[in-house]
Amino acid sequence: EVQLVESGGGLVQPGGSLKLSCAASGFTFSDSAIHWVRQASGKGLEWVGRIRSKPYNYATAYAASMKGRFTISRDDSKNTAYLQMISLKTEDTAVYYCTRRFCSSTNCYFAFNIWGQGTMVTVSS
Amino acid sequence: QSALTQPASVSGSPGQSITISCTGTSSDVGGNNYVSWYQQHPGKAPKLMIFDVSDRPSGVSNRFSGSKSGNTASLTISGLQAEDEAVYYCSSYTSTSVLFGGGTKLTVL
Repeated sequence: EVQLVESGGGLVQPGGSLKLSCAASGFTFSDSAIHWVRQASGKGLEWVGRIRSKPYNYATAYAASMKGRFTISRDDSKNTAYLQMISLKTEDTAVYYCTRRFCSSTNCYFAFNIWGQGTMVTVSS
Repeated sequence: QSALTQPASVSGSPGQSITISCTGTSSDVGGNNYVSWYQQHPGKAPKLMIFDVSDRPSGVSNRFSGSKSGNTASLTISGLQAEDEAVYYCSSYTSTSVLFGGGTKLTVL
C-alpha cells in the first residue's frame, strides 16, 4: 500500500524548534518529490514547500512566509523526508501534512493524491 | 503570491448541480493547466478529485467535472449526494510554488 506517515508533532513554545518526519512506503521514495502542506484549525490548506529527488539535486522551494525558518530535507536510505522548523510562532500552529504528486504508470501530474494523516504542531506558551 | 479566491460556501439539494469557482491570476490559474481540486471531510486528509483542470483520477465519480476560463477555474458537482458535503479546495501548481484557494464549504440541504 502506498503510504505516507507523519510524526514528530507536539507542543512547543514560541521561538522554539521542531523537526517533523514523513515516512514513505509502497513506492519508490527516491524517485519522488515530497511536499509539505499545513492547515490551521478551521482554516484552509497552505503550501509549505517541497524537496525534489536526487536527479534534481534535491532542490527545495518554500512559501515566502516560511522561507528562512523552515528547512526540508530527506534521507532516501530511510525513505523519509523531514521538515525542520525554527523560530516558531503561534501562527505556525497547524496540522502538517506531507504529500506526493499523483503518478500514473506513465506520467506524474501536478496534483497530490498521496497524503499522510497529518501531525499536529501547537506553538504556545 | 496570494491564495486563490473561492466562495466561502455553496449549497444545493440532493440531485441538483452546483458549481464552485476559483479565481487566480495570469501567473497561476490562467498561466497553465495545472489546476486541481480536493475534497476534504472533517478530520480527514484532502482527497484529489480533479487534476489538470478537468481530468479525474480513477475511482472519482463522473459527477465531478472541472473547467477553466481565463483566470477562473470551476468545479461542478452534478446529482448532489449527501456524501458530497465537504470542503472543496482548488489549487494551482506553478513553477515556483503551489497555491490553494481558501476553501468552499458545500452543504447538501
